[in-house]
Amino acid sequence: DIQMTQSPSSMSASLGDRVTITCQASQDIGNNLIWFQQKPGKSPRPMIYYATNLANGVPSRFSGSRSGSDYSLTISSLESEDMADYHCLQYKQYPYTFGAGTKLELK
Amino acid sequence: EVQLVETGGGLVQPGKSLKLTCATSGFTFSTAWMHWVRQSPEKRLEWIARIKDKSNNYATDYVESVKGRFTISRDDSKSSVYLQMNSLKEEDTATYYCIYGGLYWGQGVMVTVSS
Repeated sequence: DIQMTQSPSSMSASLGDRVTITCQASQDIGNNLIWFQQKPGKSPRPMIYYATNLANGVPSRFSGSRSGSDYSLTISSLESEDMADYHCLQYKQYPYTFGAGTKLELK
Repeated sequence: EVQLVETGGGLVQPGKSLKLTCATSGFTFSTAWMHWVRQSPEKRLEWIARIKDKSNNYATDYVESVKGRFTISRDDSKSSVYLQMNSLKEEDTATYYCIYGGLYWGQGVMVTVSS
């Protein structure tokens, strides 16, 4: 199975900060990766698909990038509504696998 | 508007069975590949099953932890996908989500396995 190593597991940041979360894939997944945002009591919301594409309705301060086997989600200027859990998912190969998640909190 | 609504969750004893239903609307269900994903109480997400469409012979795939115990199926006439869960274990306790296209998720249904 493809392992997705997500870091950090948690982080605190201030409003306006630039924030980056990373998932490292244990095998080649091409760009077959989705980033999700999840708030308490809600279903995961897709933010970025195919590693770099912004999903419908997602603010432009969110972006996705890839460097080799490392995939990153970046928030250019943190807003209060961005406090949430973030998950990555690889859909290159079955079984699809998720990262362990990142909890983003306000400093 | 794409909608997915899961039902059928609840409290069940270890070793028992439960069947989840996901009713869908807003897209062409008959050609859609459908998935189930679960989220543990610790918030860890796990993909558990997928079913392809008729043109792909309704082929299924499962994560190892549920193989032989869970069965994904579909009824195109009802635009619904199902998850039959047998021989349930306490570690199957989770919120179960139905997913279309990776981008559309239902609201989730809770399953608690406990004596």
